[in-house]
Amino acid sequence: GNSVTQMEGPVTLSEEAFLTINCTYTATGYPSLFWYVQYPGEGLQLLLKATKADDKGSNKGFEATYRKETTSFHLEKGSVQVSDSAVYFCALINSGAGSYQLTFGKGTKLSVIP
Amino acid sequence: DAGITQSPRHKVTETGTPVTLRCHQTENHRYMYWYRQDPGHGLRLIHYSYGVKDTDKGEVSDGYSVSRSKTEDFLLTLESATSSQTSVYFCAISESQARNTEAFFGQGTRLTVV
Repeated sequence: GNSVTQMEGPVTLSEEAFLTINCTYTATGYPSLFWYVQYPGEGLQLLLKATKADDKGSNKGFEATYRKETTSFHLEKGSVQVSDSAVYFCALINSGAGSYQLTFGKGTKLSVIP
Repeated sequence: DAGITQSPRHKVTETGTPVTLRCHQTENHRYMYWYRQDPGHGLRLIHYSYGVKDTDKGEVSDGYSVSRSKTEDFLLTLESATSSQTSVYFCAISESQARNTEAFFGQGTRLTVV
């Protein structure tokens, strides 16, 4: 079946620090990969996505590259801000299984301190 | 922001009572989903709908039922609430189930079963 594994949190960083949140996946076929972000008290919203190998998704200074050889989609940002404090979810949609529902990782809570 | 409204936003109920959560959308999207979010589990799919009166089970459907009588409304019912159903419930919608389709989420309903 499909699964997503992301690094355990919480992660606490100082403002302007470099961020990496690791995400690896297991899936048959050719999944699309997503990062969703959940700000406190809100629902999830799409941060970025990539639909094929070597694609790079980017948004709001965040980036992630679809690495098929390592089955990974790590999230990075060069300089985090306090406003980036949130829970980040890695997710996939697998077109090879006949089902298009999102499969989520467990989430990584990021806290950025001034 | 996508037009998704969940009601109620918070509810406390007693074990054994029935509970219905409502999701209302104004986007005319075909697909609607109910997820639950629990610490250490991320988001898990309960049920989803692919059209009026067309629904199917997700990963954690036991103890839940759904109905969709109109495109815009998707109801989640706990027939007899249990403490294990204490969770935050999110409704999501998507226009299609193509591999690159973004899902839009409501703000969530926090349900406590005492």
